[in-house]
Formats: sequence, C-alpha cells, structure tokens
Amino acid sequence: EGLLVESGGGLIQPGESVRLSCAASGFTVSSNSLAWVRQAPGRGLEWVAVIFREGRTHYGESVRGRSTISKDNSKNTVDLELSGLRADDTARYYCARGLTAPGTNYYDLWGPGTPVTVSS
Amino acid sequence: DIQMTQSPSSLSASVGDRVTITCRASQNIFSYLNWYQQKPGKAPKVLIYGASKYHSGVPSRFSGSGSGTDFTLTISSLQPEDFATYYCQQSYSVPLSFGGGTKLEIK
Repeated sequence: EGLLVESGGGLIQPGESVRLSCAASGFTVSSNSLAWVRQAPGRGLEWVAVIFREGRTHYGESVRGRSTISKDNSKNTVDLELSGLRADDTARYYCARGLTAPGTNYYDLWGPGTPVTVSS
Repeated sequence: DIQMTQSPSSLSASVGDRVTITCRASQNIFSYLNWYQQKPGKAPKVLIYGASKYHSGVPSRFSGSGSGTDFTLTISSLQPEDFATYYCQQSYSVPLSFGGGTKLEIK
C-alpha cells in the first residue's frame, strides 16, 4: 500500500527559506509521480508542485520561481524547497502520490502533512 | 490555468438524505476529475477518480458523474461518517487545481 511522512516544517521568519522532506515507504519514488499540496488554516486545498517519474517538474502559480521540488531515488524521498517565505505561505504541507489510471490520474496516498508557519 | 468552481460551499443535511455537490471546470477536462473527502485534522482521501470510478474501499453510496466541464458527486443516503469537506480536482493539465470545497454539516 505505502506510506508517506513529511518533515521539516516549523516556525520560519519572513523572507527565509524552508526545505520540506517527504519520506516514502512501501513503494519507490522512482516509479511514481509525487506532489505537494498545501492547506492554509481554515482554507481549501492548493496544489503546489509535482515531480513526475522521469524527473519533469511543474509548479503552482503562487510558488513558481521561488520553489524547487526534487527527489532522491536512493533515499526514496521527495523534497520541496520554498524561498522568500511570506505570511500567506503559512499552511500544512501535504505530500501525495500520483497514480495513473486509464484516462486519468489522481492522488491515492497522502501523508499527514507538516505545518509551516511564517511569522516574525 | 484551469479554474474549478464548486457549489454549494456549504450544505446542511440529515442522516439518510441524498445530497449532490457540483463542480464546474473553466474549460473541457474530459473525465480528468477526481473527488476527495477530508475530515478535520486529517489528510484528504480520494473517493472517485476519472469522474465516475470508485477508489478501492469507497462505499457504493458515493457516485460521480459528468464529463467535459460539469460534474457531480452524489451521496445517496448520508451516513454519520460522511459529514466532512469534499473537494473536486482536475488532473487534465498542470498546474492541477482543486475546487474551493463543500463543507457538509449535520442539520
């Protein structure tokens, strides 16, 4: 089935950077796409970034240009680095596994998330 | 980018009721539409993918329909554990996007 566990969140000063990590078990990140989705307190889900099986990446508009998603196949992890943090980056950040089915794709496995609070 | 609009944003209903949530895409997404359920303090869980396909273990009282730009999620007979927030998501093109959510509350 698989398991995802995020880490790296915490209280971050505005303007600084944070590196979030997602550790996968029960499957390999080299064989799947992995994404980051965030949720600000009391708000809805916002898609942040994805790294596909072959390494291609895409980013959401709100983080484009100041974020990098990467993976380490040997450690079976996917990281998200976000720089120039602002108050509106405050959210719980979830890691999710992408599953491809005929004619569609969806996120079938999610971690519990790691909270990021941007405040001075 | 594709915008997803869900309605209603909140809904009060009773156990046993039939409820329908709608989701509209800003352009044709064929059947690249997924539905997720989220309970407070928990990560989302997929219910329906490809507009109408059941994810493993999802009860048959949940059903999805639609294609193109208009989609619906129907719960045929609400159970106590169904009170949660529901999100649609398009997976047709990046950046992927979610609807704003529908909070289903007990009447």
